Order: sequence, then C-alpha cells, then structure tokens
Amino acid sequence: DADVTQTPRNRITKTGKRIMLECSQTKGHDRMYWYRQDPGLGLRLIYYSFDVKDINKGEISDGYSVSRQAQAKFSLSLESAIPNQTALYFCATSDLGEANTGELFFGEGSRLTVL
Amino acid sequence: GQNIDQPTEMTATEGAIVQINCTYQTSGFNGLFWYQQHAGEAPTFLSYNVLDGLEEKGRFSSFLSRSKGYSYLLLKELQMKDSASYLCAPMTTDSWGKLQFGAGTQVVVTP
Repeated sequence: DADVTQTPRNRITKTGKRIMLECSQTKGHDRMYWYRQDPGLGLRLIYYSFDVKDINKGEISDGYSVSRQAQAKFSLSLESAIPNQTALYFCATSDLGEANTGELFFGEGSRLTVL
Repeated sequence: GQNIDQPTEMTATEGAIVQINCTYQTSGFNGLFWYQQHAGEAPTFLSYNVLDGLEEKGRFSSFLSRSKGYSYLLLKELQMKDSASYLCAPMTTDSWGKLQFGAGTQVVVTP
C-alpha cells in the first residue's frame, strides 16, 4: 500500500461544483503539502501545513481551501470549481527531523477536470 | 521567489549520456533536489546536494556549485525507462520545507 494516498484519483466535474480532494499518509510526517501541476508550468505549491494547527498559503492559493483534520490527513477543497483549475494535483509529506533533508514524498496524484 | 532555469527537452540515444543543467537564483541556499517524474505519475526522489561537488548514485550523478548557482544531473548508460521529466528544486531558508520546482526537463530516449 502507498504511504501517501490520494482520493479520488480521477474526477470530472462541472463549473461551480464543490470538490474535495483527500490525502492521508502513514509515514508519520508532520508536514503536508498540496501542489498542482500544469503542462509547461511544473509543480506549484497551493497550501502547506507544518503541523495540525498550522496552515499556510503557497504560491497559488486563490480559489482553494484546506483542512488538516489530523496529523495523517490533509484535504484540499475547491469551493466553486472553474475550468482553469483543471490540473493534476499532488499531495506530499516531509519530515524535518535532524536526520532529514526535507525530501518530499508524493501521493500518486488526483487528476481533476472541470468542464 | 526563486528563478529556476532548466532546458525544456533533451533527446538522446539508448546507451548514451545526457547532462541536464539547472541554474537558480536564491538566497539562503540549503541544498538542491532532483526528482524524476514519469508521465502522469508522482515525482520520485533522485538526489540531494548540499555541498559543492559530485554525488554519484549508480547510473545517475548530480553536481552542485553553490557559488555559481548551478547544478547538473548526469544520466549514464541511458535506458528507455529513463524517458521522463527531471525536476530541479533548490531549497532555501525561505522555502525550507516547501520546495519550489523548475518546470522540468523532458528527456526522450530513442532506440
């Protein structure tokens, strides 16, 4: 089983609908992230959380919100989806303990299409 | 923010060597990551350099020059499965724990 699990893996929805992407991890990491990936633009950070009570905006947070329900769970919501939010979304975790570099561990991705 | 520059695409033949360059402009540098990403899949960790010099790991090597803001990833004895996008990601004190990625270099390996 994957250490970082995203659901759903694929979703097609209509403009204006509310969508939630969920992420859960079994790595025991405190830090969790949501990135989106668009062709030619690489990975861009949407939101990140360094522990359960900490939420921070990334480069492109407009139109998104997040919830850190527990150390292991970090969900991303699109309150009213629009077509330019069509993208591949990745959840990631990291651990910045003494022996760690900050390497990111990614989920398998959630492909979202907004019509 | 950071300015990360890497070529968009490179093509090479199976068995050959390819070098992917990455230049970056940052302050408070704390190391640089390279990730591999196959189409539609999650990025996977390849290497991390924090000191100047070459780090070798099997067929893949990564080089860093902190003073020049420059890194390269060297792929030797190319195999078809190496066809993927390679992402450069410098870490700074400002971006500690929240990596910013270059747009990636698509490597196409031909028979």
